[in-house]
Amino acid sequence: GQQVMQIPQYQHVQEGEDFTTYCNSSTTLSNIQWYKQRPGGHPVFLIQLVKSGEVKKQKRLTFQFGEAKKNSSLHITATQTTDVGTYFCAGTDSWGKFQFGAGTQVVVTP
Amino acid sequence: SQTIHQWPATLVQPVGSPLSLECTVEGTSNPNLYWYRQAAGRGLQLLFYSVGIGQISSEVPQNLSASRPQDRQFILSSKKLLLSDSGFYLCAWGTGTDYEQYFGPGTRLTVT
Repeated sequence: GQQVMQIPQYQHVQEGEDFTTYCNSSTTLSNIQWYKQRPGGHPVFLIQLVKSGEVKKQKRLTFQFGEAKKNSSLHITATQTTDVGTYFCAGTDSWGKFQFGAGTQVVVTP
Repeated sequence: SQTIHQWPATLVQPVGSPLSLECTVEGTSNPNLYWYRQAAGRGLQLLFYSVGIGQISSEVPQNLSASRPQDRQFILSSKKLLLSDSGFYLCAWGTGTDYEQYFGPGTRLTVT
């Protein structure tokens, strides 16, 4: 069955630095979604990518969907303490099965 | 605008006791509804989803069950809780399987 994997599991970042987290699927996805969960909170939808090679930006966050639609990345520039949390990707495969990745937990050091 | 409610926010229950968690959505009709469980520091495990009243799909066999008695109401139940049922239970709604999901505030369940 479909497997959605996220790396790294943990990311320690110095405030002001950039980092990238990756999402990889064992099967082709019809779409990829990204969510953010603040400590103690619930996941909040950030963005959805549908097209092969699609790139979308939200302020300091850049989301990319791979050409083969099997992977995605989230790049954050000039990390701030407000970026702390766990970032999840989630995708739907060609059979309509939807699955979340295990998440990347981001810790920001001032 | 749409709003999703979950209650209670926290719950401590003894092993073997029953469970009933409720989720309601406002401001939308015929939503897809989802129940997830999240263990501490872990990812989201889909437990049940529903595309309509009385239609429930189970993703993981266990001692939990779900029901959808009304269009915008989703209930998670158990007859006898296990220690392993502890976790953060999240309800979510969406407009379709290819679209984003919106999560409720969640219920933190501790089984003692």
